[in-house]
Amino acid sequence: EVQLVESGGGLVQPGESLRLSCVASGFAFSTYNMNWVRQAPGKGLEWVSYISSGADTIYYADSVKGRFTISRDNAKNSLWLQMSSLRAEDTAVYYCARDTQMRSGWLFDNWGQGTLVTVSS
Amino acid sequence: SYVMTQPPSVSVAPGQTARITCEGDNLGNNIVHWYRQRPGQAPVVVVYDNSDRPSGIPERFSGSNSGNTATLTISRVEAGDEADYYCQVWDGSSHHYVFGTGTKVTVL
Repeated sequence: EVQLVESGGGLVQPGESLRLSCVASGFAFSTYNMNWVRQAPGKGLEWVSYISSGADTIYYADSVKGRFTISRDNAKNSLWLQMSSLRAEDTAVYYCARDTQMRSGWLFDNWGQGTLVTVSS
Repeated sequence: SYVMTQPPSVSVAPGQTARITCEGDNLGNNIVHWYRQRPGQAPVVVVYDNSDRPSGIPERFSGSNSGNTATLTISRVEAGDEADYYCQVWDGSSHHYVFGTGTKVTVL
């Protein structure tokens, strides 16, 4: 069974940093691209960042570029999101999501349960 | 960046048909996927590649995509279909995944 377990969320003040973790199990982590997706309270889904299976390709949403860093360690089946210069608008549940190519397009076929990040003074 | 707009809410009586639209510039040239998100849960794919269904998703769920509009259709709506629904594409020009604004389906 595919499992993605996020951790590291919490309450931080504006301008501070936080590192989220996602541990994967039940599949060959090293062969899958991975993503972070977030959802502000009562709001819609927002893609945050993508990292290819070998970590050689990385993309960020414009809203986090320059402040967030995605990384992975395939030997540890782990994905991270280092968040710095946090703002109130970064408050959200952050999901780790596996990337899969279907017959024609790419989607997120497995998600973690999410970890809540609250940025407030 | 690419924007996809959905109606904020759709209300439908049990047994009737719900249609959820997703509008974007030349969306028909892209591949659209649909997710259902129940309260407190992570999203789940209900339609992929415009019109295919994952195993375990009832045939009542179907999708289409043409022109500027993709549509998720839920036939014979049940109380359990009440949820938020999101469309999603990969925008190759910006190398971004994009979600639609989301639609709350209420079963009357």
